[in-house]
Amino acid sequence: EIVMTQSPATLSVSPGERATLSCRASQSVSSNLAWYQQKPGQAPRLLIYGASTRATGIPARFSGSGSGTEFTLTISSLQSEDFAVYYCQQYNNWPRNTFGQGTKLEIK
Amino acid sequence: EVQLVQSGAEVKKPGESLKISCKGSGYSFTSYWIGWVRQMPGKGLEWMGIIYPGDSDTRYSPSFQGQVTISADKSISTAYLQWSSLKASDTAMYYCARPSMTEVIYDYWGQGTLVTVSS
Repeated sequence: EIVMTQSPATLSVSPGERATLSCRASQSVSSNLAWYQQKPGQAPRLLIYGASTRATGIPARFSGSGSGTEFTLTISSLQSEDFAVYYCQQYNNWPRNTFGQGTKLEIK
Repeated sequence: EVQLVQSGAEVKKPGESLKISCKGSGYSFTSYWIGWVRQMPGKGLEWMGIIYPGDSDTRYSPSFQGQVTISADKSISTAYLQWSSLKASDTAMYYCARPSMTEVIYDYWGQGTLVTVSS
């Protein structure tokens, strides 16, 4: 089973600043990597798929990069509504998939 | 409009059985996989398994194989997650989610079903 490891567990950033979240796979997942955002009391929301493609309606301040085993989610200028928990997910071995343990993005 | 509507919250005792549901609408239910995801209190997302309602092809995460059963009734566009003997550690929010047709990226989610197991 592919293990996804996210870092850091918690990231404290001020509004307006840039946030960089990392995700590492235990083996190559090519570009089959997605990012989700989850706010308290809500279901997750798809942000990025294919490592770098924004889902429908996702603002341009969200960007993804990477391939193979190393991936990054960048939020260029944090808005108040961006403070949430972010999960990466690999989907390289259809239809199996696994999630990372999450990074909590909190207000500094 | 694609919708996944899950059954309501459940409170059960250890050892009891349970079946929760996820009804899909607004799309061809038999043409898309449906996955189940667990979220224990204050914890992250865990992929449990996935079913293709068209032919009931089902895959499980090794962590959940033998612990739960995933099924679907295509006649009523509903997927199920069931336990034969609940444990306190099954207390969690459970989400169903529908991936796209070609990749297991979950673009539609149910609202979640909270299962509480307590004596």
